[in-house]
Amino acid sequence: NAGVMQNPRHLVRRRGQEARLRCSPMKGHSHVYWYRQLPEEGLKFMVYLQKENIIDESGMPKERFSAEFPKEGPSILRIQQVVRGDSAAYFCASSPTSGPTGRETQYFGPGTRLLVL
Amino acid sequence: GQNIDQPTEMTATEGAIVQINCTYQTSGFNGLFWYQQHAGEAPTFLSYNVLDGLEEKGRFSSFLSRSKGYSYLLLKELQMKDSASYLCAVRDLGGSNYQLIWGAGTKLIIKP
Repeated sequence: NAGVMQNPRHLVRRRGQEARLRCSPMKGHSHVYWYRQLPEEGLKFMVYLQKENIIDESGMPKERFSAEFPKEGPSILRIQQVVRGDSAAYFCASSPTSGPTGRETQYFGPGTRLLVL
Repeated sequence: GQNIDQPTEMTATEGAIVQINCTYQTSGFNGLFWYQQHAGEAPTFLSYNVLDGLEEKGRFSSFLSRSKGYSYLLLKELQMKDSASYLCAVRDLGGSNYQLIWGAGTKLIIKP
């Protein structure tokens, strides 16, 4: 059973370009979470999605950032007109269920390291 | 508000025991997670506590006291490969019941 997959692992963009990060959850998982992590810092929640729905995007900047999780295919985190401050590691996690009870352990992908020149 | 506190860095000796503490203030509580993250890698799940007490899993144990808003991760018989950051995360029912609130992590350095 393959784990959470993310690609690319490393992405270099120039200021003003678009970055597109992909995440394929573990088989059987329909919940996806995106996090951002700066060096020596903790994980910052960005967005939580289920298939075809954005459940919570409270951690995502209102401008330039968007996320989707289509019925078919991976979840996509899109950053338009990137700036140097967007340089970070972006982790995707998935879980099999979500609700008021249960463990809902999140399993992480290897991350995408974005470098904006 | 929501707050998770962990020491920034700890140092321990190979073969010894180390305890990493985590205190939290959240409006609700539905479980506390510990993850391990090696430099440049993804966090990996270590343990989960939702009831008070100690959960043991091999060389690692995790303790929770909900009344004190306190948890610790205990690592025994330390090995060099245990050098990593250890992240404490709390599921806060006060907000979204699916969102984890993360501490900044404790960097553990193991010396021979």
